[in-house]
Amino acid sequence: EPEVTQTPSHQVTQMGQEVILRCVPISNHLYFYWYRQILGQKVEFLVSFYNNEISEKSEIFDDQFSVERPDGSNFTLKIRSTKLEDSAMYFCASIERGAGGYEQYFGPGTRLTVT
Amino acid sequence: GDSVTQMEGPVTLSEEAFLTINCTYTATGYPSLFWYVQYPGEGLQLLLKATKADDKGSNKGFEATYRKETTSFHLEKGSVQVSDSAVYFCALRSAETSGSRLTFGEGTQLTVNP
Repeated sequence: EPEVTQTPSHQVTQMGQEVILRCVPISNHLYFYWYRQILGQKVEFLVSFYNNEISEKSEIFDDQFSVERPDGSNFTLKIRSTKLEDSAMYFCASIERGAGGYEQYFGPGTRLTVT
Repeated sequence: GDSVTQMEGPVTLSEEAFLTINCTYTATGYPSLFWYVQYPGEGLQLLLKATKADDKGSNKGFEATYRKETTSFHLEKGSVQVSDSAVYFCALRSAETSGSRLTFGEGTQLTVNP
């Protein structure tokens, strides 16, 4: 069964450093998402991406964040200057179609630890 | 804006007990509703879904019915097992915008003891 993959599984970085989290969505999917989950809290939407541009973003997704689909398969989330409060599990998701009850498939997540 | 409210947890049950996890939502129109499960150390997996009023989603013995009149999507299972121990998230997806995001509830930690 096709699946969303994410790398790395765990990233440790120092405050102020840039990090890039990578995702490979399911190949025939059209919409891509990043969510985050701070330990013990709910899953929060960050950004959605369709047709090579951001279609929606949350208030969390400020100028420190950016997304890119550089080569038609990878989908990346960049944090330019990490803060302690960016420590969280980051989930990538993709969906085949935008309408109705199509399932969002989630990757296993990248645990980001900012020290 | 859209929102999802789940019953506060954690929930601890004995094996074979009946499970209900309450979920209510606020949204315009007719959203699609989902239950996701997160096992320890893993990502989110879709458990079941319903896309219109009175639809019943079911999977692995779990059920939830889309109740438009009460804006609810409560998760139930008649007889839980130790392996059901996980965090359960109720979520909705707006019908208003194509490709729109999922909005999650707070999550309910379920522990089933033998």
